Amino acid sequence: DTEVTQTPKHLVMGMTNKKSLKCEQHMGHRAMYWYKQKAKKPPELMFVYSYEKLSINESVPSRFSPECPNSSLLNLHLHALQPEDSALYLCASSQDTGTGELFFGEGSRLTVL
Amino acid sequence: GIQVEQSPPDLILQEGANSTLRCNFSDSVNNLQWFHQNPWGQLINLFYIPSGTKQNGRLSATTVATERYSLLYISSSQTTDSGVYFCALPDTGRRALTFGSGTRLQVQP
Repeated sequence: DTEVTQTPKHLVMGMTNKKSLKCEQHMGHRAMYWYKQKAKKPPELMFVYSYEKLSINESVPSRFSPECPNSSLLNLHLHALQPEDSALYLCASSQDTGTGELFFGEGSRLTVL
Repeated sequence: GIQVEQSPPDLILQEGANSTLRCNFSDSVNNLQWFHQNPWGQLINLFYIPSGTKQNGRLSATTVATERYSLLYISSSQTTDSGVYFCALPDTGRRALTFGSGTRLQVQP
């Protein structure tokens, strides 16, 4: 069983909707990540939080807004998305950034109509 | 940034066969992981192996950091081994993992 939990597992939204993806870890990790994965491609880094502060933003469009309310929780707020944003969104955590093993949640599969 | 190449890109095996997957990388690293992505998208940790050799059941991995490659061995393959295998390493100057393009494995009964 994964110790990184993502909800929802599936999400369908229109281009005018606002929705959020949620991620929770209970391993005491201080780094959390969002990755995006398109079909038949490797995961691509979107955001990194270290000690609840945003440390890396990979030039992600502002229609994706991350939030880290505390060291165990990571959200990704979605607004005015485009159909090309449909993908598998993966949350991960590690003890610290750049060190230690990375653990992934099961992912949230997003479809934008 | 760091360049990560995996080979072969696709592999079809008969159940019971052995295989070797390779990951080449362009910079020295202190962190390398192998993952298996199952057909439902779950990324499963196989090995955290910045150097040396590790074994876990039918799987083993070897990283030779000085020569900038890592190998994943799968022995006596099973249909449940099907999926995509990724190696991932920290990008130069960044403190997050970058993934190789993956090896897509299909094990046929």
